[in-house]
Amino acid sequence: AQSVTQLDSQVPVFEEAPVELRCNYSSSVSVYLFWYVQYPNQGLQLLLKYLSGSTLVKGINGFEAEFNKSQTSFHLRKPSVHISDTAEYFCAVTSRVGYSTLTFGKGTMLLVSP
Amino acid sequence: DAGVTQSPTHLIKTRGQQVTLRCSPKSGHDTVSWYQQALGQGPQFIFQYYEEEERQRGNFPDRFSGHQFPNYSSELNVNALLLGDSALYLCASSLVGSGQGAGAFFGQGTRLTVV
Repeated sequence: AQSVTQLDSQVPVFEEAPVELRCNYSSSVSVYLFWYVQYPNQGLQLLLKYLSGSTLVKGINGFEAEFNKSQTSFHLRKPSVHISDTAEYFCAVTSRVGYSTLTFGKGTMLLVSP
Repeated sequence: DAGVTQSPTHLIKTRGQQVTLRCSPKSGHDTVSWYQQALGQGPQFIFQYYEEEERQRGNFPDRFSGHQFPNYSSELNVNALLLGDSALYLCASSLVGSGQGAGAFFGQGTRLTVV
């Protein structure tokens, strides 16, 4: 079984400032890691994923995330945020074997203000 | 490519009633998963369908049932609705041959309100 903890329920930040959204996971098996974004009244959109190889992965809209196996973390970062980045962000994991079902964290609301 | 489409977008039902939600997967995808997202929470896995069979199920009661059709579209049925069933229901599609690392494509969801 897997679990995901997103340490901040809400992160307020000013436009053009850097941001980090934190994610820790727990699993008894090897996992793949994902970040999804949800804009108001919409479904989930895949931002980026870690499968293997380089621990720094780049995604859409200028986001990147770093996988840290020893700390079981997968934090999401952006060097300069825009108003349009205001949304809910979800970290998720899936087992590398078996069926492709996702276990999500509770989400972090990123609030970007001018 | 239309992506994953869900219908209806919004629905209001009364306690005790039954509801059916529908999902058409992304073109080329053969696997459909359903998730429940309560307000302020992350999505929770309900079940997954592949080859018209339920192949995995999350921790949801038998009131939640589903079906997958030969064209890979899917339905989620909920019987004897409770107030706590009010949530956004998300459908996600994937291709079994692409492996777990491919992730899933999500629809816009159906907002169910039980009154």
